[in-house]
Amino acid sequence: SQQGEEDPQALSIQEGENATMNCSYKTSINNLQWYRQNSGRGLVHLILIRSNEREKHSGRLRVTLDTSKKSSSLLITASRAADTASYFCATDDDYKLSFGAGTTVTVRA
Amino acid sequence: DGGITQSPKYLFRKEGQNVTLSCEQNLNHDAMYWYRQDPGQGLRLIYYSQIVNDFQKGDIAEGYSVSREKKESFPLTVTSAQKNPTAFYLCASSIVEGQVNGYTFGSGTRLTVV
Repeated sequence: SQQGEEDPQALSIQEGENATMNCSYKTSINNLQWYRQNSGRGLVHLILIRSNEREKHSGRLRVTLDTSKKSSSLLITASRAADTASYFCATDDDYKLSFGAGTTVTVRA
Repeated sequence: DGGITQSPKYLFRKEGQNVTLSCEQNLNHDAMYWYRQDPGQGLRLIYYSQIVNDFQKGDIAEGYSVSREKKESFPLTVTSAQKNPTAFYLCASSIVEGQVNGYTFGSGTRLTVV
């Protein structure tokens, strides 16, 4: 079952701008994770935020989690062409992950 | 280098044929997973295994089978009962310590019915 839903489905930005995408989920979680997928490749784990955390940073990535609203956001600052990819949120569901449909981000040079 | 290897990268299946996708990891992870991804969509769980000789059905297990005879290996067989097998198949593994941690993914196998 796909618990997470990303919004927007697609995002196009200029290089150097920030990109923000959101994830909403339905049931309680232990953690929420974000992944990146380049076209035709496997997913790469970006960041994990636990249910008792509200914000986490990793390089140019900033993730927030609001368990009261069952939502998370991923911010990519100062975007680069190499950030062009699909981004997925995933929530833990009884020792396995459920993935959303993803946000496709295109960074224009 | 540690990681997950999926093979083959591309696979073509004829009608009525069973095919097996390979997934091998050298990360010493206990848990392994198979997901299916259709164009423009998210990942759907087919099967997963948390320990050798044990595995569980995911959301779309019908028409698929797996085995977990070794910790390092989790092959997926797409049987002739799977009527729409054309998709991108992803294998992943993880440590599970009280809760699931980050997955490490393979590079995928693209299966096409011919």
